[in-house]
Amino acid sequence: EVQLLESGGGLVQPGGSLRLSCATSGFTFSSYAMTWVRQAPGKGLEWISAISGSGGSTYYADSVRGRFTISRDNSKNTLYLQVNSLRAEDTAVYYCAIPYLPLNYFDHWGQGTQVTVSS
Amino acid sequence: EIVLTQSPGTLSLSPGERATLSCRASQSVSSSFLAWYQQKPGQAPRLLIYGASSRATGIPDRFSGSGSGTDFTLTISRLEPEDFAVYSCQQYGGLSWTFGQGTKVEIK
Repeated sequence: EVQLLESGGGLVQPGGSLRLSCATSGFTFSSYAMTWVRQAPGKGLEWISAISGSGGSTYYADSVRGRFTISRDNSKNTLYLQVNSLRAEDTAVYYCAIPYLPLNYFDHWGQGTQVTVSS
Repeated sequence: EIVLTQSPGTLSLSPGERATLSCRASQSVSSSFLAWYQQKPGQAPRLLIYGASSRATGIPDRFSGSGSGTDFTLTISRLEPEDFAVYSCQQYGGLSWTFGQGTKVEIK
């Protein structure tokens, strides 16, 4: 059974940083691209970043490019998102999800981790 | 970036009624890359439809998807109590994914 478990969220001041993790099991992690998707309170879903199975290619939404860094450790079956220079508008639940290629839909999601940016 | 606009924002219906949800894209989307999700409060999204019209594993046949180009539709033929939720469309293109803002289906 595929399982995704996010952690690392919390309350942080504007300008602060966090490292989000997504621990995975039940599939061959290194064979799959992975993504992060967030959802601000009362808002729709927003894709923010993706990484190839090898980790050699990374992609970002304009809203986070230059502030967030996606990475993975295939030996630990874990996905990461380093979030820096946080703003109030980054407050959201952050989900990791697997994009199933080649149709690029998300069939498996974690339960999410809450990030709150506030002074 | 392709923008997806869903309508209506909220749909108030009774159990047993038919729900028709719209997803309009700012430019043409490949049907292969159009998906629909259901989300309930405090839960992660659940895949319903992929490839515009293919039901995901375990999804009841009262859910159906259709459309092409810039106009896509999710239809729930007869609403069950567990179907009251928020529904979002999603597309992939140009090395990025975008979602619609969601349609809330609420009990009338």
